[in-house]
Amino acid sequence: SYELTQQPSVSVSPGQTATITCSGDELGDKYCSWYQQKAGQSPVMVIYRDNKRPSGIPERFSGSNSGNTATLTISGTQAVDEADYYCQSWDSTTARVFGGGTRLTVL
Amino acid sequence: QITLKESGPTLVKPTQTLTLTCSFSGFSLNTNGVGVGWIRQPPGKALEWLALIYWDDGQRYSPSLRSRLTITKDTSKNQVVLTMTNMDPVDTATYFCAHSLAAAGCFDDWGQGTLVTVSS
Repeated sequence: SYELTQQPSVSVSPGQTATITCSGDELGDKYCSWYQQKAGQSPVMVIYRDNKRPSGIPERFSGSNSGNTATLTISGTQAVDEADYYCQSWDSTTARVFGGGTRLTVL
Repeated sequence: QITLKESGPTLVKPTQTLTLTCSFSGFSLNTNGVGVGWIRQPPGKALEWLALIYWDDGQRYSPSLRSRLTITKDTSKNQVVLTMTNMDPVDTATYFCAHSLAAAGCFDDWGQGTLVTVSS
């Protein structure tokens, strides 16, 4: 079955850029979404269709997807961005799949 | 405004069948392109997609759990029901339902989740 791989953790200083990656076979040929989940809360979608930002999501969140890797970039990271981040993709056979998640720590 | 809420038992015994209901408002499952999915998250672990049902009654299941899952919809009640057979302690998790747009392949609105514990 299709798998998505994320690094377990990323640390960044406030104001710096956080880069979270998601790898999967020919992921660039599929759509990728990203979700933010804070402790004890439901996930919130922050990026869909690789690089689209839902209304209400700050402009500092951006996404890209090419080759085998999708990337979530948070520019000017703030303390409020500390959370777990999950990538998610889909195709006609697997329907939906989530990555293993990345814990973002803002030091 | 889209809202979703999961309901069902908080405790089930091993081998029993779990039945969860997702009650939603703010959209219709009769609308072309709309779907509702179920996702679970064991304590301290990652999200795991389980099943999805579309406006046209098309269903998709996680390959690893397909034999145990059934997803159905009742558009008159604005509800989606997930059943999972032969529950095991490893199935202990928070179960979420979420709104999905088929064209985007994402889950853009989520319920609050319901914790289900499997224990004798």
